[in-house]
Amino acid sequence: GAGVSQSPSNKVTEKGKDVELRCDPISGHTALYWYRQRLGQGLEFLIYFQGNSAPDKSGLPSDRFSAERTGGSVSTLTIQRTQQEDSAVYLCASSLAAQRGDEQFFGPGTRLTVL
Amino acid sequence: GQNIDQPTEMTATEGAIVQINCTYQTSGFNGLFWYQQHAGEAPTFLSYNVLDGLEEKGRFSSFLSRSKGYSYLLLKELQMKDSASYLCAVIRGGSYIPTFGRGTSLIVHP
Repeated sequence: GAGVSQSPSNKVTEKGKDVELRCDPISGHTALYWYRQRLGQGLEFLIYFQGNSAPDKSGLPSDRFSAERTGGSVSTLTIQRTQQEDSAVYLCASSLAAQRGDEQFFGPGTRLTVL
Repeated sequence: GQNIDQPTEMTATEGAIVQINCTYQTSGFNGLFWYQQHAGEAPTFLSYNVLDGLEEKGRFSSFLSRSKGYSYLLLKELQMKDSASYLCAVIRGGSYIPTFGRGTSLIVHP
């Protein structure tokens, strides 16, 4: 597609349930990033992929969070046993490569609400 | 670690000029980004600075001083559509991951 796409756009779930968030990066972009943005806050880095490998997982808040990327393209962020503090907008971005100065293109985000 | 500071909110008048400052402390430095984010939308790229000086791009300019750990985004001839959050993001040395500040909410009024 022309840009980064994410699905679903909105997800409401009950505390304790697992959720999967999907990101389709721009075709040909080798680097993919996941961020979390709580209401009124800045972007919080979660994890970054170069190809299918994740050199930097330092931002994942707990072992309930995991992510994978297959075929150097689509990525899935999984949150297990969701908690109310997981409520946020989850943004995915991609860039041509993970190089200094490479512009990140963001998707529209998935708004997650945990009841 | 990194500290990135920006004002939380600024207001300005349509047609005026506004300067949004960003100060940072980081171990090493690999560049600084500015992004614009309208409410409910994804951030979009505005500028990238890695060398000292001013980069001009239409109504928007971005300045960097590495020795002072300081950048600013200058918006000229403000329009109502410039009302948005402006995010400063810094890449520390040895990394390619930008760390974002909390953003500055700019309100442009008539």
